[in-house]
Amino acid sequence: SAVISQKPSRDICQRGTSLTIQCQVDSQVTMMFWYRQQPGQSLTLIATANQGSEATYESGFVIDKFPISRPNLTFSTLTVSNMSPEDSSIYLCSVEVQVAYNEQFFGPGTRLTVL
Amino acid sequence: AQKVTQAQTEISVVEKEDVTLDCVYETRDTTYYLFWYKQPPSGELVFLIRRNSFDEQNEISGRYSWNFQKSTSSFNFTITASQVVDSAVYFCALLQGGGGSNYKLTFGKGTLLTVNP
Repeated sequence: SAVISQKPSRDICQRGTSLTIQCQVDSQVTMMFWYRQQPGQSLTLIATANQGSEATYESGFVIDKFPISRPNLTFSTLTVSNMSPEDSSIYLCSVEVQVAYNEQFFGPGTRLTVL
Repeated sequence: AQKVTQAQTEISVVEKEDVTLDCVYETRDTTYYLFWYKQPPSGELVFLIRRNSFDEQNEISGRYSWNFQKSTSSFNFTITASQVVDSAVYFCALLQGGGGSNYKLTFGKGTLLTVNP
């Protein structure tokens, strides 16, 4: 398994501002993922972040709104830009620990409330 | 396209009862992986089990057991002698086995399990 931490754990932000969420893993991993979980809903993949290449975004998510950085094999950031109340969600980082086993582990999440 | 259906939105049981959470999936891939995750009120997603499409053997881990049936595209999860601490949202998820750009975990909508004392 992997130990994944996220910062901040929660935040309350004003409309129109931006928030950057950090994800740190205790081991080097190739694939990192960012998910959004809107209140009472399931998880939806925002993008896949691989080191050394641009993030791959899922349908409905764009880089201008959710820019992602992946500077090394243990760290990634997701920025939620120009926030609106509809962005209020839990944002989760996940990693694939061992490619052969396809096991994906999740961080504790960041609870974002936009006023 | 792949899809995961958890028809049970909410289940409420009394402690010590057995409870089964249903999961039905759709995929065109012959190689795929199925997962169950637990999300307690704290929000963290806890990995419970992974099963690949070539392994239909059922698995038991303590009070938890999983029944994988390819013939009905189902991967059901049973908790025996439920406890209050089992109260959580449980997600079933499907991973395509293609790798690369096909690497995508698709989640069901989740089942909220409430175990009452």
